[in-house]
Amino acid sequence: NAGVMQNPRHLVRRRGQEARLRCSPMKGHSHVYWYRQLPEEGLKFMVYLQKENIIDESGMPKERFSAEFPKEGPSILRIQQVVRGDSAAYFCASSPPVRQETQYFGPGTRLLVL
Amino acid sequence: GESVGLHLPTLSVQEGDNSIINCAYSNSASDYFIWYKQESGKGPQFIIDIRSNMDKRQGQRVTVLLNKTVKHLSLQIAATQPGDSAVYFCAEKPGNNNDMRFGAGTRLTVKP
Repeated sequence: NAGVMQNPRHLVRRRGQEARLRCSPMKGHSHVYWYRQLPEEGLKFMVYLQKENIIDESGMPKERFSAEFPKEGPSILRIQQVVRGDSAAYFCASSPPVRQETQYFGPGTRLLVL
Repeated sequence: GESVGLHLPTLSVQEGDNSIINCAYSNSASDYFIWYKQESGKGPQFIIDIRSNMDKRQGQRVTVLLNKTVKHLSLQIAATQPGDSAVYFCAEKPGNNNDMRFGAGTRLTVKP
Protein backbone atom coordinates (compact mmCIF):
# COMPACT_ATOMS: atom_id res chain seq x y z
CA ASN A 1 0.00 0.00 0.00
CA ALA A 2 1.78 3.10 -1.22
CA GLY A 3 1.91 6.05 1.09
CA VAL A 4 1.12 9.65 0.27
CA MET A 5 2.86 10.63 -2.94
CA GLN A 6 4.01 14.12 -3.78
CA ASN A 7 5.66 15.44 -6.87
CA PRO A 8 7.85 17.03 -7.80
CA ARG A 9 10.12 16.54 -4.82
CA HIS A 10 12.06 19.67 -5.72
CA LEU A 11 10.85 22.62 -7.74
CA VAL A 12 12.78 25.71 -8.77
CA ARG A 13 10.92 28.73 -10.08
CA ARG A 14 11.83 32.29 -10.91
CA ARG A 15 9.89 35.16 -9.43
CA GLY A 16 6.61 35.67 -11.24
CA GLN A 17 6.29 32.08 -12.49
CA GLU A 18 3.66 29.59 -11.40
CA ALA A 19 4.27 26.58 -9.18
CA ARG A 20 2.07 23.48 -9.25
CA LEU A 21 2.47 20.93 -6.50
CA ARG A 22 0.73 17.58 -6.71
CA CYS A 23 -0.39 15.19 -4.01
CA SER A 24 -1.86 11.71 -4.34
CA PRO A 25 -3.37 10.52 -1.03
CA MET A 26 -3.03 7.05 0.36
CA LYS A 27 -5.39 4.49 -1.10
CA GLY A 28 -8.78 4.75 0.55
CA HIS A 29 -8.15 8.23 1.92
CA SER A 30 -10.56 10.92 0.84
CA HIS A 31 -9.28 13.83 2.91
CA VAL A 32 -6.24 15.90 1.95
CA TYR A 33 -4.42 18.60 3.90
CA TRP A 34 -1.67 20.95 2.76
CA TYR A 35 0.94 22.36 5.12
CA ARG A 36 3.86 24.69 4.67
CA GLN A 37 7.13 24.44 6.56
CA LEU A 38 9.90 26.99 6.76
CA PRO A 39 13.42 25.83 7.78
CA GLU A 40 13.71 24.98 11.47
CA GLU A 41 10.01 25.64 12.03
CA GLY A 42 6.88 23.59 12.51
CA LEU A 43 4.23 22.95 9.93
CA LYS A 44 1.58 25.55 9.30
CA PHE A 45 -1.84 24.44 8.13
CA MET A 46 -2.97 25.85 4.80
CA VAL A 47 -6.03 24.04 3.48
CA TYR A 48 -8.20 20.96 3.99
CA LEU A 49 -10.02 19.35 1.08
CA GLN A 50 -12.27 16.45 0.36
CA LYS A 51 -13.04 15.25 -3.14
CA GLU A 52 -14.25 18.26 -5.15
CA ASN A 53 -14.73 20.37 -2.00
CA ILE A 54 -12.64 22.83 -0.05
CA ILE A 55 -13.58 22.31 3.58
CA ASP A 56 -11.26 24.77 5.31
CA GLU A 57 -8.87 27.21 3.66
CA SER A 58 -8.34 29.44 6.65
CA GLY A 59 -4.56 28.99 6.56
CA MET A 60 -4.08 29.78 2.92
CA PRO A 61 -3.12 33.28 1.70
CA LYS A 62 -6.04 34.96 -0.02
CA GLU A 63 -4.05 35.90 -3.08
CA ARG A 64 -1.98 33.82 -5.49
CA PHE A 65 -2.65 30.50 -3.70
CA SER A 66 -5.33 28.02 -4.66
CA ALA A 67 -5.98 24.34 -4.09
CA GLU A 68 -8.18 21.70 -5.61
CA PHE A 69 -8.91 18.02 -5.20
CA PRO A 70 -10.80 16.87 -8.30
CA LYS A 71 -12.95 13.79 -8.53
CA GLU A 72 -10.21 12.09 -10.51
CA GLY A 73 -6.52 12.70 -10.07
CA PRO A 74 -4.29 14.21 -7.44
CA SER A 75 -4.80 17.26 -5.31
CA ILE A 76 -3.07 20.35 -6.68
CA LEU A 77 -1.66 23.28 -4.75
CA ARG A 78 -1.11 26.15 -7.13
CA ILE A 79 0.95 29.24 -6.43
CA GLN A 80 0.75 31.98 -9.01
CA GLN A 81 3.34 34.71 -9.51
CA VAL A 82 5.71 33.21 -6.96
CA VAL A 83 7.85 35.43 -4.78
CA ARG A 84 11.00 34.57 -2.83
CA GLY A 85 9.00 34.35 0.37
CA ASP A 86 7.12 31.37 -1.06
CA SER A 87 10.30 29.28 -0.81
CA ALA A 88 9.49 26.52 1.66
CA ALA A 89 8.70 22.85 1.96
CA TYR A 90 5.08 22.05 1.20
CA PHE A 91 3.69 18.89 2.72
CA CYS A 92 0.53 17.08 1.90
CA ALA A 93 -1.20 14.75 4.34
CA SER A 94 -4.18 12.46 3.90
CA SER A 95 -6.58 10.79 6.28
CA PRO A 96 -9.24 8.11 5.96
CA PRO A 97 -12.94 8.96 6.08
CA VAL A 98 -13.40 7.50 9.56
CA ARG A 99 -10.30 8.55 11.55
CA GLN A 100 -9.90 11.99 10.09
CA GLU A 101 -7.56 13.16 12.76
CA THR A 102 -4.77 10.73 11.98
CA GLN A 103 -2.96 12.36 9.12
CA TYR A 104 -0.22 10.63 7.18
CA PHE A 105 2.29 12.83 5.42
CA GLY A 106 3.98 12.70 2.07
CA PRO A 107 7.68 13.41 1.50
CA GLY A 108 7.05 17.04 0.62
CA THR A 109 7.89 19.35 -2.25
CA ARG A 110 10.73 21.75 -1.68
CA LEU A 111 10.06 24.94 -3.58
CA LEU A 112 12.90 27.35 -4.25
CA VAL A 113 12.09 30.72 -5.80
CA LEU A 114 15.05 32.47 -7.37
CA GLY B 1 -3.10 33.42 20.29
CA GLU B 2 -3.21 29.84 21.43
CA SER B 3 -0.43 27.65 20.22
CA VAL B 4 1.50 24.50 20.74
CA GLY B 5 4.99 25.00 22.06
CA LEU B 6 7.95 22.95 23.17
CA HIS B 7 10.10 23.44 26.25
CA LEU B 8 13.46 22.61 24.66
CA PRO B 9 14.55 23.17 21.08
CA THR B 10 17.36 20.58 21.27
CA LEU B 11 18.01 17.42 23.21
CA SER B 12 21.15 15.35 23.18
CA VAL B 13 21.22 11.88 24.74
CA GLN B 14 23.57 8.94 24.89
CA GLU B 15 22.69 5.84 22.94
CA GLY B 16 20.81 3.45 25.17
CA ASP B 17 19.48 6.15 27.50
CA ASN B 18 15.83 7.09 27.71
CA SER B 19 14.68 10.34 26.08
CA ILE B 20 11.89 12.61 27.19
CA ILE B 21 10.58 15.30 24.87
CA ASN B 22 8.11 17.77 26.29
CA CYS B 23 5.35 19.84 24.78
CA ALA B 24 3.04 22.49 26.21
CA TYR B 25 -0.29 23.34 24.70
CA SER B 26 -2.64 26.14 25.58
CA ASN B 27 -5.92 25.25 23.89
CA SER B 28 -8.08 23.50 26.43
CA ALA B 29 -10.47 22.52 23.63
CA SER B 30 -7.87 20.22 22.07
CA ASP B 31 -8.99 16.63 22.29
CA TYR B 32 -6.49 14.79 20.16
CA PHE B 33 -2.71 14.84 20.09
CA ILE B 34 -0.09 13.27 17.86
CA TRP B 35 3.67 12.98 18.02
CA TYR B 36 5.48 13.04 14.70
CA LYS B 37 9.11 12.32 13.87
CA GLN B 38 10.72 14.16 10.98
CA GLU B 39 14.07 13.13 9.59
CA SER B 40 16.08 15.48 7.43
CA GLY B 41 14.57 15.89 3.98
CA LYS B 42 11.53 13.76 4.76
CA GLY B 43 7.92 14.27 5.71
CA PRO B 44 6.64 13.90 9.28
CA GLN B 45 6.15 10.30 10.30
CA PHE B 46 3.35 9.34 12.68
CA ILE B 47 4.69 7.90 15.94
CA ILE B 48 1.86 7.73 18.43
CA ASP B 49 -1.38 9.49 19.28
CA ILE B 50 -3.52 10.01 22.34
CA ARG B 51 -7.01 11.29 22.99
CA SER B 52 -7.93 13.63 25.79
CA ASN B 53 -9.86 10.94 27.65
CA MET B 54 -6.57 9.12 28.27
CA ASP B 55 -3.46 10.12 30.22
CA LYS B 56 -1.03 7.51 28.95
CA ARG B 57 -0.54 5.42 25.86
CA GLN B 58 2.28 3.05 25.03
CA GLY B 59 3.71 1.92 21.74
CA GLN B 60 6.82 0.09 20.78
CA ARG B 61 9.62 1.79 22.77
CA VAL B 62 7.54 4.97 22.99
CA THR B 63 5.10 6.27 25.58
CA VAL B 64 3.01 9.41 25.42
CA LEU B 65 1.81 11.06 28.61
CA LEU B 66 -0.93 13.66 28.72
CA ASN B 67 -1.50 15.94 31.69
CA LYS B 68 -4.61 17.96 30.98
CA THR B 69 -4.40 19.83 34.28
CA VAL B 70 -1.24 21.64 33.23
CA LYS B 71 -1.77 21.18 29.48
CA HIS B 72 1.41 19.19 29.03
CA LEU B 73 2.31 16.39 26.68
CA SER B 74 5.46 14.31 26.68
CA LEU B 75 7.03 11.64 24.52
CA GLN B 76 9.27 9.09 26.16
CA ILE B 77 11.60 6.99 24.03
CA ALA B 78 13.13 3.98 25.72
CA ALA B 79 16.67 2.83 24.92
CA THR B 80 17.25 5.60 22.42
CA GLN B 81 19.05 4.56 19.25
CA PRO B 82 20.99 6.55 16.63
CA GLY B 83 18.07 6.03 14.25
CA ASP B 84 15.90 8.03 16.64
CA SER B 85 17.85 11.19 15.81
CA ALA B 86 15.34 13.54 14.20
CA VAL B 87 13.09 16.51 14.93
CA TYR B 88 10.03 15.58 16.97
CA PHE B 89 6.82 17.57 16.72
CA CYS B 90 3.78 17.44 18.88
CA ALA B 91 0.54 18.40 17.21
CA GLU B 92 -2.87 19.12 18.69
CA LYS B 93 -6.30 19.16 17.18
CA PRO B 94 -8.93 21.33 18.80
CA GLY B 95 -12.26 19.59 18.78
CA ASN B 96 -13.93 22.15 16.52
CA ASN B 97 -11.08 22.55 14.03
CA ASN B 98 -10.08 20.63 10.97
CA ASP B 99 -6.36 21.30 11.17
CA MET B 100 -3.57 19.97 13.30
CA ARG B 101 -1.50 22.65 15.01
CA PHE B 102 2.19 21.94 15.25
CA GLY B 103 4.83 23.17 17.63
CA ALA B 104 8.26 24.29 16.43
CA GLY B 105 9.85 20.91 17.15
CA THR B 106 12.64 19.47 19.29
CA ARG B 107 15.79 18.21 17.64
CA LEU B 108 16.90 14.95 19.23
CA THR B 109 20.53 13.94 18.75
CA VAL B 110 21.68 10.52 19.87
CA LYS B 111 25.37 10.18 20.61
CA PRO B 112 26.94 6.75 20.05
